Amino acid sequence: DIQMTQSPSSLSASVGDRVTITCRASQSISKYLNWYQQKPGKAPKLLIFGASGLHTGVPSRFSGSGSGTHFTLTLSSLQPEDLATYYCQQTYDMESVTFGQGTKVDLK
Amino acid sequence: QVQLQESGPGLVKPSETLSLTCTVSGGSISSTTYFWAWIRQPPGKGLEWIGRVYSSGDTYYNPSLNSRVTISMETSRNQFSLTLNSVTAADSAVYYCARLYAFGVAIPGIYALDVWGQGTPVTVS
Repeated sequence: DIQMTQSPSSLSASVGDRVTITCRASQSISKYLNWYQQKPGKAPKLLIFGASGLHTGVPSRFSGSGSGTHFTLTLSSLQPEDLATYYCQQTYDMESVTFGQGTKVDLK
Repeated sequence: QVQLQESGPGLVKPSETLSLTCTVSGGSISSTTYFWAWIRQPPGKGLEWIGRVYSSGDTYYNPSLNSRVTISMETSRNQFSLTLNSVTAADSAVYYCARLYAFGVAIPGIYALDVWGQGTPVTVS
């Protein structure tokens, strides 16, 4: 299996801060990397597909970058509604898709 | 607007079989554009991939669950289902069904879970 490791596991930030979450793959996955946002008690929502593609309806303050084994999700200006847990996911190996362990973002 | 809805028992006894159904509305499960997937989330933990099925019936499962899991299509009802045998307390989780869609023009496609059900909690006890 391809292992996905996110860092940090949690972070505290203020409204308006720039927030960056990192996801590393145990082997190269090209750009087959997606990001999801999950709020408490809710199903995850797709934010970014293919490392940098912004899904329909997702605010432009979200952006993704990277390829190979190193990827980042950036929130350019944290908003109160962005408080959630964020997960990366690789679909390079479609026979065994894997998620990162999640990064919880809360208010400082 | 495609919507997915999970259904099934919320309580299953240890060693028995967990069976869930995902009903797809607003689109056909027989479409060759998508895969259909199950994902679970134990209480307070992260997301775990269970497996996926294609319109042809082809399936791939998480190797850690492979011997106990079956995902199948019920095209006449526009549903797909999950069966997990010999459950233990470790199988207690919220179970989500979701659609896998290929974005862009890359070959092979860059698949992502673009539509999710609301999730259904299952307790093994």
